[in-house]
Amino acid sequence: GQNIDQPTEMTATEGAIVQINCTYQTSGFNGLFWYQQHAGEAPTFLSYNVLDGLEEKGRFSSFLSRSKGYSYLLLKELQMKDSASYLCAVRDENGGGSQGNLIFGKGTKLSVKP
Amino acid sequence: DVKVTQSSRYLVKRTGEKVFLECVQDMDHENMFWYRQDPGLGLRLIYFSYDVKMKEKGDIPEGYSVSREKKERFSLILESASTNQTSMYLCASSFPAGQRNRYNSPLHFGNGTRLTVT
Repeated sequence: GQNIDQPTEMTATEGAIVQINCTYQTSGFNGLFWYQQHAGEAPTFLSYNVLDGLEEKGRFSSFLSRSKGYSYLLLKELQMKDSASYLCAVRDENGGGSQGNLIFGKGTKLSVKP
Repeated sequence: DVKVTQSSRYLVKRTGEKVFLECVQDMDHENMFWYRQDPGLGLRLIYFSYDVKMKEKGDIPEGYSVSREKKERFSLILESASTNQTSMYLCASSFPAGQRNRYNSPLHFGNGTRLTVT
């Protein structure tokens, strides 16, 4: 089966750094994605990891360890507009992933306070 | 920029009605998906399609059907709407995973249709 876990909610302060963790269990891992979703809006693509290590994109970085089934999204220099839900999603070859399907975690709601 | 357009932002229907949710994408993507999103349950896949006239069941297909007559359009059909189908419905599209130069193939989402069944 497939299982993706991430914290339900987190709170951080403007200007700080926050790390959102995601653990997953899949039988045919083929990539991990992070999405940002503001309230009432569509999820938007943030990052992709398929090999171990860190991918950096401006203020956002994403890390993957395939042996541990673990990823994190790191947000630096937090801004108020970063208040949103962050969704971890995994492509599983055995779950339609060969065609591109993603399995989503339930999302982490991040609140950034002044 | 990829554009995925869902025909309605808000929809209110009565129990037993047949409901059509339409989705159109303009990036020539082979794959299209329908998810529903509910508080505490996250995004769950209803159906997806990887080619015209092709469809595959997702995790929760019961009570739904789909139609893909043209590459750019993917319709979700609720044959007889019920109150437990009240939800946010999200359409997405992507290139196939593993296609050359498109290996990451992220899903691009529409803005969603909030459906209320009374």
